[in-house]
Amino acid sequence: AQSVAQPEDQVNVAEGNPLTVKCTYSVSGNPYLFWYVQYPNRGLQFLLKYITGDNLVKGSYGFEAEFNKSQTSFHLKKPSALVSDSALYFCAVRGYYGNNRLAFGKGNQVVVIP
Amino acid sequence: EAQVTQNPRYLITVTGKKLTVTCSQNMNHEYMSWYRQDPGLGLRQIYYSMNVEVTDKGDVPEGYKVSRKEKRNFPLILESPSPNQTSLYFCASSFRLAGSQNEQFFGPGTRLTVL
Repeated sequence: AQSVAQPEDQVNVAEGNPLTVKCTYSVSGNPYLFWYVQYPNRGLQFLLKYITGDNLVKGSYGFEAEFNKSQTSFHLKKPSALVSDSALYFCAVRGYYGNNRLAFGKGNQVVVIP
Repeated sequence: EAQVTQNPRYLITVTGKKLTVTCSQNMNHEYMSWYRQDPGLGLRQIYYSMNVEVTDKGDVPEGYKVSRKEKRNFPLILESPSPNQTSLYFCASSFRLAGSQNEQFFGPGTRLTVL
C-alpha cells in the first residue's frame, strides 16, 4: 500500500527566506504525487502535482516541487516565503495502478515569521 | 461556482444518536470520498465511491456508512456515534477519467464532537 512520510511537524522560516517542506513516499510502480495546503478553518486546496515528465513541477502561489525518483522524494519549495504562506501542508501519493485511493502524510505546519 | 459543500459545518452530539453529514458537488465528478483528519495522523480515508451505486471501504470504515444514489451527493452516516469519532471530516471529489492523475476538490469540513 502507498504511504507518505513528512518528517517535520513544524517548519519555521523568516519572511523572504526560501521555504522547503519535505516529503518522501512509498508506492508500487510509478507514483502520482500531490501537494495540498490547508489554511485555518478551511478545506484542503490543491497546489501542484507530478504525473510524468519534467521533475520540477510548478504550481499555485509561487510554489514548486521537485520529484526525485532515486530518493523517493517530492519536496515542496518556494524561493521567498510570505507571512500568508503560514498554513498546514500535506503531501499525498497514489499509485499508477489501483482504485484512485490517495494516501496522505500527517502534514507539516509552516510558520512564516515576519 | 464549482464547489463541494458539506452540512453541517459544526455538530455536537451524544453517544448513540444517529447522524448524517451531507456532501454535495456541482462539478459532475464521478469520484467522491470521505476523510477524517486527526492531529498527528493526517487525513485517513473512510469510504469512497467511483460512481453512482458504487462504494468501497477506505482505511478506517468502522462505524460509518455511506450511500451514492445520485452522482452529486455522498452522505456520511454514523448510525451510533462514539466519542472516538470526534474528528474533522472532509468530503472530496474528482473526475474519474484518467483516474489516478486527477486532483481532488475538498469541502470546507465538518467538525464533529461526540460526547
